[in-house]
This record gives sequence, structure tokens and C-alpha cells, in this order.
Amino acid sequence: DQQVKQNSPSLSVQEGRISILNCDYTNSMFDYFLWYKKYPAEGPTFLISISSIKDKNEDGRFTVFLNKSAKHLSLHIVPSQPGDSAVYFCAASALGGNTGKLIFGQGTTLQVKP
Amino acid sequence: ETGVTQSPTHLIKTRGQQVTLRCSSQSGHNTVSWYQQALGQGPQFIFQYYREEENGRGNFPPRFSGLQFPNYSSELNVNALELDDSALYLCASSFSGGGRNEQFFGPGTRLTVL
Repeated sequence: DQQVKQNSPSLSVQEGRISILNCDYTNSMFDYFLWYKKYPAEGPTFLISISSIKDKNEDGRFTVFLNKSAKHLSLHIVPSQPGDSAVYFCAASALGGNTGKLIFGQGTTLQVKP
Repeated sequence: ETGVTQSPTHLIKTRGQQVTLRCSSQSGHNTVSWYQQALGQGPQFIFQYYREEENGRGNFPPRFSGLQFPNYSSELNVNALELDDSALYLCASSFSGGGRNEQFFGPGTRLTVL
């Protein structure tokens, strides 16, 4: 049972344009969401997070939007840069539970073309 | 501030052997989580350690075990290795409490079981 899904395996955008990465979840107990970026041969790097009490969180070029009624979150990168090319994972957790385990999606490979 | 480190970087074992992977958590963090990432998939939660005790476990058999030490570093032990155990093993450290769940990952250990 895939509780966190990233339905687009890959995305290609032009440098300077907006990149939008999407993520859907099924478990209504999830109350904290995160985005990670991963380069080959490295561990995931934390990008941005959002609590379920918010619908938007912004950090520089990165903005995460949360739509709880649709159980959907998205990561916007504006403007996209070639260095943003990587695999992006969304992750969810239920902080109200006893463990802080993260449930990850399958990842979306972003390619930013110069 | 020192980030999360893992050792070794790569490891090759044969089926039936045992392996120990090590992780040093980031300064100021008190919680360590371990994840397994198969090729083309998102990381899967193995277990988490907080205050030297297991604090949640994913869908992994008992031959996967761990330890956390007083300095918050951790070990992952896998007994009776199987071919399907070949994967990237990621350690993540975090600070439990405060209503947030950002986990910071090490570079991973690539385990190959022949």
C-alpha cells in the first residue's frame, strides 16, 4: 500500500522557468510533510517542510503548497536552475504517533535544461 | 557543525553473512533513523532509535537490528544476508520534540550481497 505517491517519474523544464513537482498521500493521519533532493551517490538533502496547520511555506526559490482536502502537496521551484537537476522525494509523517518515521514517495527526476 | 556520517561507503558480502553499518549523528540531535533504499525507489523506514531504545519499526524482519549509543551514534546489523538486502542504507538524525520532523541524512552505505 503506497501511502505517498509521486505519479510523475520525470520532469524536464527550461532554465529560468517554474518547476512544479507533485505528491499525493492517502493517510489522513499525516501531519508533517517534507521535500528532499537527492544527487547520485549522495544521501537525500532536506529542502523544505510544512505542517498540516499551514497551506503554504516559502524558502527562497522553493515553495511548498499543501491541500489537505485533496491530500495533495506540491513543490514549486522558481526560477529553475541547472543545479536543481536531481531526484526529488516527498515524505510524510504522523507526528501525533509514537514514531517520527518518514514515508517516502518513489521520487521524481527533474532535469533543468540550460 | 558536523553533519551525519556513515561508514563504510561501500560493502560487498555474500549470502548468509552478517554486516554492521555505522552512523554518527549530527551535533545536537538525539534521534537516529535507518532507511533502506532500493534502486529506483524511495527510502523505506527500517527503525528509529531515541534515548538508546527502539522507537518504531518498519516492515523488516528481526534479522535487522540496531543499537544507539550514549553519544547518539548508531549501528545497523543485518544477519543472514539475502540477495534482496542489496541496497543503499541511509542513516538520518533528528531532534525529537518541538513539533517538527526534519531528518538529516548521511551519504549512505551501498551494500551488495552476492
